[in-house]
Amino acid sequence: DTAVSQTPKYLVTQMGNDKSIKCEQNLGHDTMYWYKQDSKKFLKIMFSYNNKELIINETVPNRFSPKSPDKAHLNLHINSLELGDSAVYFCASSQDLAIGENIQYFGAGTRLSVL
Amino acid sequence: AQRVTQPEKLLSVFKGAPVELKCNYSYSGSPELFWYVQYSRQRLQLLLRHISRESIKGFTADLNKGETSFHLQQPFAQEEDSAMYYCALPSGGYNKLIFGAGTRLAVHP
Repeated sequence: DTAVSQTPKYLVTQMGNDKSIKCEQNLGHDTMYWYKQDSKKFLKIMFSYNNKELIINETVPNRFSPKSPDKAHLNLHINSLELGDSAVYFCASSQDLAIGENIQYFGAGTRLSVL
Repeated sequence: AQRVTQPEKLLSVFKGAPVELKCNYSYSGSPELFWYVQYSRQRLQLLLRHISRESIKGFTADLNKGETSFHLQQPFAQEEDSAMYYCALPSGGYNKLIFGAGTRLAVHP
């Protein structure tokens, strides 16, 4: 009974293609996030949504478009994929935006390889 | 600017040895700090947070505001402790986590 689930787990595609990664959480949380982990294992936040509203956009190229149809889902659509987009993308959720005790729960990650 | 620094990319120890994973931070105000762990082929998960002052799987971490550090300590490393460890700091007025670069801990038999 996975709390934060992402699909697909692996995604291999050609440069220039458009792809989507889906994320769902069943924790009843209000806030969801997308993080990118590069080849050196460095983790960086990309987006945060709270109750379907965009809260954080960390100067990510506009080829990346998150969409939150409801507060349990936050999908990531990527247009015109580039080689540098190859990474592991992690979805996460937390109860709300309050900092401090607000633990983030992570999905298992989606490994994207752009050829 | 808020920043988290983990100076060691890799720490390699033998089973039963003590280990300290270093984390230094830059933050104006009272920080809330976390350690997250990623075991091989598993998701990132919270290990511990400084406000709870608890010990998880033998790991402890103390916030030292004078040295702006939140080092993670394990007095007796076990093989199952082998993982990537990330120090993190919520920032920006929201629950946006800034992660350090991570330290890979390898515990050998």
